[in-house]
Amino acid sequence: EDKVVQSPLSLVVHEGDTVTLNCSYEVTNFRSLLWYKQEKKAPTFLFMLTSSGIEKKSGRLSSILDKKELFSILNITATQTGDSAIYLCVAGAGSYQLTFGKGTKLSVIP
Amino acid sequence: NAGVTQTPKFQVLKTGQSMTLQCAQDMNHEYMSWYRQDPGMGLRLIHYSVGAGITDQGEVPNGYNVSRSTTEDFPLRLLSAAPSQTSVYFCASRVEDTQYFGPGTRLTVL
Repeated sequence: EDKVVQSPLSLVVHEGDTVTLNCSYEVTNFRSLLWYKQEKKAPTFLFMLTSSGIEKKSGRLSSILDKKELFSILNITATQTGDSAIYLCVAGAGSYQLTFGKGTKLSVIP
Repeated sequence: NAGVTQTPKFQVLKTGQSMTLQCAQDMNHEYMSWYRQDPGMGLRLIHYSVGAGITDQGEVPNGYNVSRSTTEDFPLRLLSAAPSQTSVYFCASRVEDTQYFGPGTRLTVL
C-alpha cells in the first residue's frame, strides 16, 4: 500500500527560527513529490520535485528530494507568524495516483 | 480566471437529507477530484474524474455520487446524509500532478 509519512505532526517555533519538515514516501511507480501550504482554507501549491538533489527555492522556503532514500524536506528560514499553517506532502505515482501525508502543523509564535 | 469555485461555503443538513455540492473550474483541466478533510485523517479522495463522462471511485466513495457531463463542472451528491459525513469538502482540478483546490465546503450533518 502506498504511503506518505510526515514528521513531526506538529511543531511550535519562535519567529526567526529555521524549521525543517520531513516527508518520507513509499509508493509504486513514483513520479513526483509535492508540497502544499494550508492555512485556514484550501491547500495552495508550493513546490513540485521530480529529480533528486535539485533544490527548489521560493523566498524563505526551499525543498529538496532524495529519490534514493525516498524522502523530501521542506525548509523555512527566518520564520514569520504568517508561516503558521499545515504543510502537506503529496507523492504522485502510477497513472493518476496522489498519496497525501497527514500534514505537519507549524505554529510560529512572536 | 476564477480557478476552482465551490458552493456552498457552509451547509447544515439533517440526517437523511440529500444535497449536491457544486464545483466548477475554468482552467480547462481534464482531471478533477473531490476530497474530504477530517481532523487527524488528512485529505481523503472520494471520487475523481479524468474527463467528461468518466468518473471513478477514490478511497472513501460510499454515500457519495458524482457525474461529469462537462469539463468545467464536477458536482458531488450526498444521497442520504449521515453524521459521519460531517467534514470539510474540497474540490480540485489538476494539471499533471499539480492540484488547484477550491475554497472548500464545510458540511455539518445533525
